[in-house]
Formats: sequence, structure tokens, C-alpha cells
Amino acid sequence: SQQGEEDPQALSIQEGENATMNCSYKTSINNLQWYRQNSGRGLVHLILIRSNEREKHSGRLRVTLDTSKKSSSLLITASRAADTASYFCATASGLSLNTDKLIFGTGTRLQVFP
Amino acid sequence: EAGVAQSPRYKIIEKRQSVAFWCNPISGHATLYWYQQILGQGPKLLIQFQNNGVVDDSQLPKDRFSAERLKGVDSTLKIQPAKLEDSAVYLCASSSPTRQISYEQYFGPGTRLTVT
Repeated sequence: SQQGEEDPQALSIQEGENATMNCSYKTSINNLQWYRQNSGRGLVHLILIRSNEREKHSGRLRVTLDTSKKSSSLLITASRAADTASYFCATASGLSLNTDKLIFGTGTRLQVFP
Repeated sequence: EAGVAQSPRYKIIEKRQSVAFWCNPISGHATLYWYQQILGQGPKLLIQFQNNGVVDDSQLPKDRFSAERLKGVDSTLKIQPAKLEDSAVYLCASSSPTRQISYEQYFGPGTRLTVT
């Protein structure tokens, strides 16, 4: 079963604009991760935020986590055509390091027009 | 470092036939995962190995799917017999849980299976 639900399902923007994607999940987590998938490079890990963190940055990416609302958001600033891809949130909620498994959401398809 | 390798990249078979996929994880990664990704959905975990032992196979349809990782390195996933609904991309990923900083997974390019 899929734990995360991304919103919106699809997003189209112009280069230079910001893109915001949201993820909601159902159970308590150890960490939440965002991945990008495009036909050229497959599924690539972008950023990980732990359950005791509220915000994290990596380059043009900003992730927030609200465990009380069981939600996360991914902000891509100053988007580029190369950011065109599907973005997935994935939650990890295992009881130990060795049994942490990821449950992926349904994804947001981002299209960035030049 | 070399990434996760998978083969074949594409496979077309008829229903009721069998098929096998191969994965070679990143060197030194103890944990290996197989995912099924149906078009328009996120990846779904089928099986997780820690070295050559199975950690989680709760979502593996064991009547038709099998997987092994005999020497704790590369792995094969088999479907026998295939059904139409098995058409999907099969992704292999690896991670190194001994790293204390993060537990990101590294994915291979996937095998796109079409069952006709």
C-alpha cells in the first residue's frame, strides 16, 4: 500500500518560477525522503529529513516536515527545464536500522517550460 | 563509484512464460531491495535483503515471484508464470545501513517488463 500522497499530481511552470510539492502520510516515521525520477537518470535520492527536523536545505531544494500534520513539502526555487521529472516522497518507519523500508507516494509530475 | 547495475533493460514476454532479472548493487552495500513500479504509481517494495538473508518479503507474490541473493552480492528476481498485471518496471536498489548519517537508497536503471 502507498503511504504518501503527493499533491498536486501534476504541475506545469515556467523556468525561473518556484515549484512546491506536498506530501501527506499516515503513520509515524523515522525519516522522510524525496526522490526524483526521469527517463534519463532513473530514480535519484534528493534529500532526507529526519522526524526531529523541521526544515532542511540542499542547493535549490528546501524541504519542510510537520509531524503533527503528517505532511512534508518540497520547494524547488528558480526552476530549470532540467528539473522536469516526477518527484516522489518516501517514508521510512522501520523499528531498526536494518528493517527500515521505504514506502513511496504516488508522485508529482513537474513540467518546467523554457 | 559504480552505480547499481541491472539487466536486461527491457523484456517482452507472453503471459504464462517465465522471466528473470539480475541486479548488481553498489560495492559494499549490504542491503538490496527489489521494487515494482507500475505506470503512474510510485515504486512498491517487493523484497529486501540484508546480506544474503531476507529481511522483508511481505509484499512479494510468492506463488509466482522468487528472489535470491546467494553470496550476499548480486541478486536475481524471477517471475514464473507471468501475468498481464506483472507489466511494470522492476527496480533494484541498494543502501549501506552501516552509514550512520543517512539511509538513502541508490537505484538502478530498472527493467521494463511487458507481458502480452
